Amino acid sequence: QKEVEQNSGPLSVPEGAIASLNCTYSDRGSQSFFWYRQYSGKSPELIMSIYSNGDKEDGRFTAQLNKASQYVSLLIRDSQPSDSATYLCAVISSGGYNKLIFGAGTRLAVHP
Amino acid sequence: DGGITQSPKYLFRKEGQNVTLSCEQNLNHDAMYWYRQDPGQGLRLIYYSQIVNDFQKGDIAEGYSVSREKKESFPLTVTSAQKNPTAFYLCASGSGPNTGELFFGEGSRLTVL
Repeated sequence: QKEVEQNSGPLSVPEGAIASLNCTYSDRGSQSFFWYRQYSGKSPELIMSIYSNGDKEDGRFTAQLNKASQYVSLLIRDSQPSDSATYLCAVISSGGYNKLIFGAGTRLAVHP
Repeated sequence: DGGITQSPKYLFRKEGQNVTLSCEQNLNHDAMYWYRQDPGQGLRLIYYSQIVNDFQKGDIAEGYSVSREKKESFPLTVTSAQKNPTAFYLCASGSGPNTGELFFGEGSRLTVL
C-alpha cells in the first residue's frame, strides 16, 4: 500500500466549476498535511497546509481534513485554465524523523 | 529576492561520469533537501540536512553524495554508481527540521546519454 495515494487523473473540469482533488494516507499518526501545485516542467509550490480536522479556506482554495478517515482533499472554486497543473498531496509521517511523503499527484485540466 | 537557485537547469552526462548539481539558498533556512522526480511519480527524498555539517540519507541515497559545509549551500553529486540517474532533481529548503512547508528551486534535469 502506498503511503500517500492520489488518483493520477487527468481530472477535467470546465472553467468556473469546482475541482475536487482527493488524497488518502496510510499513517494514522500523521498530523500535518500539504498541497503543492506543480506546473508542467516546473518545480512544486506550496498552496495550502492544514493541521486540524475540518476546512481551511484561502481564496479560491479550500483544504479539507478528516483524520479519522485518513483523507485530505483540495477544492478549487471557480476553476480557471491557469489552475491546470498537477497537484501533489504531501503528508508528514509520524515516526522518527518527520519525513514529508509526497503522493504521485493528480493532473487537473480546466477547459474553457 | 530570497529564494533557491539550482544550476545547471539542464545537464547531459555520459555513462560513468560523476556530475554535481548546485543548490544555493538565501532564505536563511536550516533544513535543505534533495528530491528526485520521475515521470508520473511523486517526489522521492535522496538526502536531507537539518544543520551545517550534518546530513542524512533519504529513501534513495544509493549512488548519490552530498555535503553541507555552508548553511546556504547543499550540492548533490550523482555518481557513476547511480544505475538510472536520468531524472528531474529538485532542491528544497525549510525553516525548521520538521516542516512540510518547503520552498523549491527550479530544478535540474539530468539526462544520461
